[in-house]
Amino acid sequence: EPEVTQTPSHQVTQMGQEVILRCVPISNHLYFYWYRQILGQKVEFLVSFYNNEISEKSEIFDDQFSVERPDGSNFTLKIRSTKLEDSAMYFCASSENRRSYTFGSGTRLTVV
Amino acid sequence: GIQVEQSPPDLILQEGANSTLRCNFSDSVNNLQWFHQNPWGQLINLFYIPSGTKQNGRLSATTVATERYSLLYISSSQTTDSGVYFCAGNTGNQFYFGTGTSLTVIP
Repeated sequence: EPEVTQTPSHQVTQMGQEVILRCVPISNHLYFYWYRQILGQKVEFLVSFYNNEISEKSEIFDDQFSVERPDGSNFTLKIRSTKLEDSAMYFCASSENRRSYTFGSGTRLTVV
Repeated sequence: GIQVEQSPPDLILQEGANSTLRCNFSDSVNNLQWFHQNPWGQLINLFYIPSGTKQNGRLSATTVATERYSLLYISSSQTTDSGVYFCAGNTGNQFYFGTGTSLTVIP
């Protein structure tokens, strides 16, 4: 079964640094997403991406965040000037038709 | 946004027991999925089930879309079933997740 691949599985970064989380969606999927889960809390929507542009974003997704599809296969989430409260699991998801969605296994980001 | 309630919030089972997890939505959703989050935090897709019933091994799920709820059945539970079970539904671009049911299966 096709998978959404996320790298790295765990990233530790110093406060104030920039991080890039990487995702390889399923190859024929057109819709891409990032979600976040702070430890012990719900999974929350960050952003959706279609046709090389953001189609929707949540209040969490402020100017600190950006997304990019740099080469037609990868989908990245960049977090600038990381803060302690950015520590969370970040999940990438993709969908062919916005019916069924496949989530990656996540990147655990720890900001120290 | 849509509110998603899951019950029970916590569940402890003896290995081999059966259980039913429930998910209620405050409004209609286009799609509904169940996920298992293992102890390492990985989110594993279980079912895509906007309506009807599906089975996959010891797991099955039923969604009654008209009444805005879904059930996940786990039969003959095993210790590897432990973790948090989430349901999520979407309208448009955004999935709304429930707060999860934390399941612990003890040998």
